[in-house]
Amino acid sequence: QKEVEQNSGPLSVPEGAIASLNCTYSDRGSQSFFWYRQYSGKSPELIMFIYSNGDKEDGRFTAQLNKASQYVSLLIRDSQPSDSATYLCAVTRNQGGKLIFGQGTELSVKP
Amino acid sequence: DARVTQTPRHKVTEMGQEVTMRCQPILGHNTVFWYRQTMMQGLELLAYFRNRAPLDDSGMPKDRFSAEMPDATLATLKIQPSEPRDSAVYFCASGLVRDEAFFGQGTRLTVV
Repeated sequence: QKEVEQNSGPLSVPEGAIASLNCTYSDRGSQSFFWYRQYSGKSPELIMFIYSNGDKEDGRFTAQLNKASQYVSLLIRDSQPSDSATYLCAVTRNQGGKLIFGQGTELSVKP
Repeated sequence: DARVTQTPRHKVTEMGQEVTMRCQPILGHNTVFWYRQTMMQGLELLAYFRNRAPLDDSGMPKDRFSAEMPDATLATLKIQPSEPRDSAVYFCASGLVRDEAFFGQGTRLTVV
């Protein structure tokens, strides 16, 4: 079992729709959770982080964390073609610990 | 504009040669990560340092890879000897207390 698992996709949504990206992790001791976006040929860039159970909103992005279910998700509202990228979920156990990435989910937003 | 700087951006080398990749973390960041990215394996953590001390290099093939931080402004990743299966994009990232990692632009390595 991989430490961090994501559906590789591609996930295709129409412009203006909500894109929902999911991630599960195996280590119950995980404390910090991150979402990165990676455009083709570019490096990953941090878009969201969440530490506590519940929702965290930042503009069109909402991160959701459920530690009991070992599940973290990213919602993108009003999806735009410019959101088309691979979204990487990353998890760490504690401060200064290993930052482990999932395989990423490819998102395609169609005009 | 604070950012992680990696050199070289591209490297083509012959099998058996030594490869050295360099990384300048963001000034003030105390954690440095080295990742390798391939289509098949995704982003794999090779090694990471905190305050220049290696904390974990279990993801790194020890017989040919080595990672060091000679000082707070420089991290290096060496492969000796290189093999075609080492072809990948190598990313350096740095961070501070919150564990988030800010990535450099990567070194695209091709071993022929």
